[in-house]
Amino acid sequence: GENVEQHPSTLSVQEGDSAVIKCTYSDSASNYFPWYKQELGKRPQLIIDIRSNVGEKKDQRIAVTLNKTAKHFSLHITETQPEDSAVYFCAASWVGGGADGLTFGKGTHLIIQP
Amino acid sequence: EAGVAQSPRYKIIEKRQSVAFWCNPISGHATLYWYQQILGQGPKLLIQFQNNGVVDDSQLPKDRFSAERLKGVDSTLKIQPAKLEDSAVYLCASSYGQGREAFFGQGTRLTVV
Repeated sequence: GENVEQHPSTLSVQEGDSAVIKCTYSDSASNYFPWYKQELGKRPQLIIDIRSNVGEKKDQRIAVTLNKTAKHFSLHITETQPEDSAVYFCAASWVGGGADGLTFGKGTHLIIQP
Repeated sequence: EAGVAQSPRYKIIEKRQSVAFWCNPISGHATLYWYQQILGQGPKLLIQFQNNGVVDDSQLPKDRFSAERLKGVDSTLKIQPAKLEDSAVYLCASSYGQGREAFFGQGTRLTVV
């Protein structure tokens, strides 16, 4: 089955700086890669996703890049703000065969220092 | 639109007891998932339903876990008997279909003592 590795487990950045979280996946058939943000005690919420036919996607301060050859994808947050503090999870799945449940990484605790 | 509803929010039981969780997905969402999130880890898929049929239950510990989605709407997840290692947050998620955004509920935090 799919295996997703996520690094780093904790990331502390100064407010206004950029943050980068990296993930690798094992199953070359995976074609859907979402990123979820989970604040303490709350539900995971989708912040951005990318499909295998696209190399990069951007939404305001958030961007995701995908390298299918290397089987890795990254989340980039620019101009970080205090409200960006949370745990971020990458995930992967194969969409097209019926079963498309997500395999998640272990998460990155992002801390924004004022 | 209303979100995914789950109940109860918290549950404490003794090992070897049974417990059930309930999920009401977003209206119109055909796909429903149950995930287990152990503290400090990412959610792990337990089972996926498409309408009232099981699509994937390969990671469900079937000797103690069961789930159903009667009438293709609400779903229940049951654990019987519970073990200490079942302590986790059980998240329900739903989506319109394959490859569409999955919306998560608040989860049920289970503590087995």
